[in-house]
Amino acid sequence: GAGVSQSPSNKVTEKGKDVELRCDPISGHTALYWYRQSLGQGLEFLIYFQGNSAPDKSGLPSDRFSAERTGGSVSTLTIQRTQQEDSAVYLCASSFNRGPEKLFFGSGTQLSVL
Amino acid sequence: EDQVTQSPEALRLQEGESSSLNCSYTVSGLRGLFWYRQDPGKGPEFLFTLYSAGEEKEKERLKATLTKKESFLHITAPKPEDSATYLCAVQGDYGGSQGNLIFGKGTKLSVKP
Repeated sequence: GAGVSQSPSNKVTEKGKDVELRCDPISGHTALYWYRQSLGQGLEFLIYFQGNSAPDKSGLPSDRFSAERTGGSVSTLTIQRTQQEDSAVYLCASSFNRGPEKLFFGSGTQLSVL
Repeated sequence: EDQVTQSPEALRLQEGESSSLNCSYTVSGLRGLFWYRQDPGKGPEFLFTLYSAGEEKEKERLKATLTKKESFLHITAPKPEDSATYLCAVQGDYGGSQGNLIFGKGTKLSVKP
């Protein structure tokens, strides 16, 4: 079956603009995660959705970042008033089980803020 | 503070030259240690989960081991297709927060024919 799908694969934007990144998880996966990977850095946890529970937003770096998950499936990560330091690869992952057991990652969205 | 440190940052091997990658960690109540492989332009791909000290898992030329302070990823007789960045991650006991995997920065492995 299809894996985790992310779009767009690349996004170039100007400082101060808003961007939306989309993630379509594997069908049936109840858990969905967003991570950020900056050059030379490890993956940084952003937010975690599990079923209908309140999301764990503890990794969001500022109030410019928000995410939602509609109908327990597709998720959108929104970054408002983008800054140059937001440039990174944004990775989405999903899994069947509660907790990060065997995450399935998408290929990511490369965000460049000019 | 929970932390994961991987070494070396980069490793160059000749085809067939076995070696090991190290992942040192500090975490409050280890729930699991994970190894992922990441190819350029792709997301990480799951390799192994280890839960307790002494545990070992194998897959083809890879073998992962775990102690109370570190994990090793042993690569036996590597081939060029094993070239990738290998990521280590841990999940601690965060009182109910299941999502926060702490990742290391990875070891970039290059295997020359």
